[in-house]
Amino acid sequence: DGGITQSPKYLFRKEGQNVTLSCEQNLNHDAMYWYRQDPGQGLRLIYYSQIVNDFQKGDIAEGYSVSREKKESFPLTVTSAQKNPTAFYLCASSISAAAGTEAFFGQGTRLTVV
Amino acid sequence: GESVGLHLPTLSVQEGDNSIINCAYSNSASDYFIWYKQESGKGPQFIIDIRSNMDKRQGQRVTVLLNKTVKHLSLQIAATQPGDSAVYFCAETSNTGGFKTIFGAGTRLFVKA
Repeated sequence: DGGITQSPKYLFRKEGQNVTLSCEQNLNHDAMYWYRQDPGQGLRLIYYSQIVNDFQKGDIAEGYSVSREKKESFPLTVTSAQKNPTAFYLCASSISAAAGTEAFFGQGTRLTVV
Repeated sequence: GESVGLHLPTLSVQEGDNSIINCAYSNSASDYFIWYKQESGKGPQFIIDIRSNMDKRQGQRVTVLLNKTVKHLSLQIAATQPGDSAVYFCAETSNTGGFKTIFGAGTRLFVKA
């Protein structure tokens, strides 16, 4: 089945630790995105990648890092510099980053700092 | 500034009634709009989209209306069912100034049996 897969579904992080969230897609999409969702809030863009080996900061990139070494994969690292990392993280992909293309979302990773 | 907002944060409807969820946007350069449905603990799912050169688009039980004059978008769900209970997001996309998609905060729809 084609789709976009995020793992793990739940993740717990201790203060001061870096953690990496996985996002894989087999839709042959060029563009991939990471969003953060807080309770009662809309989605905020962290990073996006229009093509392999390229990525751009979104609106709230501070404290996060990404890589796009393969077309299928766009992992997100939440670093210790992110002061309030507890949130629901959503990865998405689309055929391209151009306006007019639908984004397909993964099922999300809920990160909690303990 | 740019914003996509929803007039009603929660909406409660009786099963079988029609639902209308509203969305306001302020970026007149936006040329593509999408409605997403998000069930609890899951990622958003595409419902329906509309381009700025249209004012109405219909799908199965859903209709999206776009009024560019007042920068307003609405989602109409006919014969609302319990399975329609979810949070609904509108999103606008524009290529002006680089890639930009803005999501609204969402409206939670409750369907009473």
